[in-house]
Amino acid sequence: NAGVMQNPRHLVRRRGQEARLRCSPMKGHSHVYWYRQLPEEGLKFMVYLQKENIIDESGMPKERFSAEFPKEGPSILRIQQVVRGDSAAYFCASSQDSYQPQHFGDGTRLSIL
Amino acid sequence: QKEVEQDPGPLSVPEGAIVSLNCTYSNSAFQYFMWYRQYSRKGPELLMYTYSSGNKEDGRFTAQVDKSSKYISLFIRDSQPSDSATYLCAMVDSGGSNYKLTFGKGTLLTVNP
Repeated sequence: NAGVMQNPRHLVRRRGQEARLRCSPMKGHSHVYWYRQLPEEGLKFMVYLQKENIIDESGMPKERFSAEFPKEGPSILRIQQVVRGDSAAYFCASSQDSYQPQHFGDGTRLSIL
Repeated sequence: QKEVEQDPGPLSVPEGAIVSLNCTYSNSAFQYFMWYRQYSRKGPELLMYTYSSGNKEDGRFTAQVDKSSKYISLFIRDSQPSDSATYLCAMVDSGGSNYKLTFGKGTLLTVNP
């Protein structure tokens, strides 16, 4: 499968725990984007990364959320001390460069107990 | 006023009908326009990508952009039950944030056999 791979597909956490969401971009893509889809809301931009660099994190909550895209391995979206309001579908997209269309993975559905 | 407005539907049509899906936007800096299809529990799948005003056709799908009216449309001809999904419009400006997709909330379409 040459598409954007996200795992896990479903993640259940209790309040206060940490959530780690992983994204492997399409082959040949070095630009990664994370979006969040809250119930009854549209997809909202969170962060844009290139290898080892955060380009734009203007859509990320200032606290508890962080993202990385290391030289080797997948991009990681990390949510510390999760709260009920973090329950959402988190989608990763990738592109060849910032001018090319973004292709999405199937998302990680995060549920907070 | 939201940046992108999209009628959420739901829209139900018989098989073979012509479907018209629409979005309006308020930000005149938006220059690139996309339509994504999202099946339940899946990620958005890119259908059409357009830049200029006018029509772009791909098989049964036609994307139409009217920048003067800030209005975009997606037409589906000879609709099939497999077209049943949520359709998302998305757009990007041509400035420094040309990677940041702004989405409509999506229109839920059901094509009945």
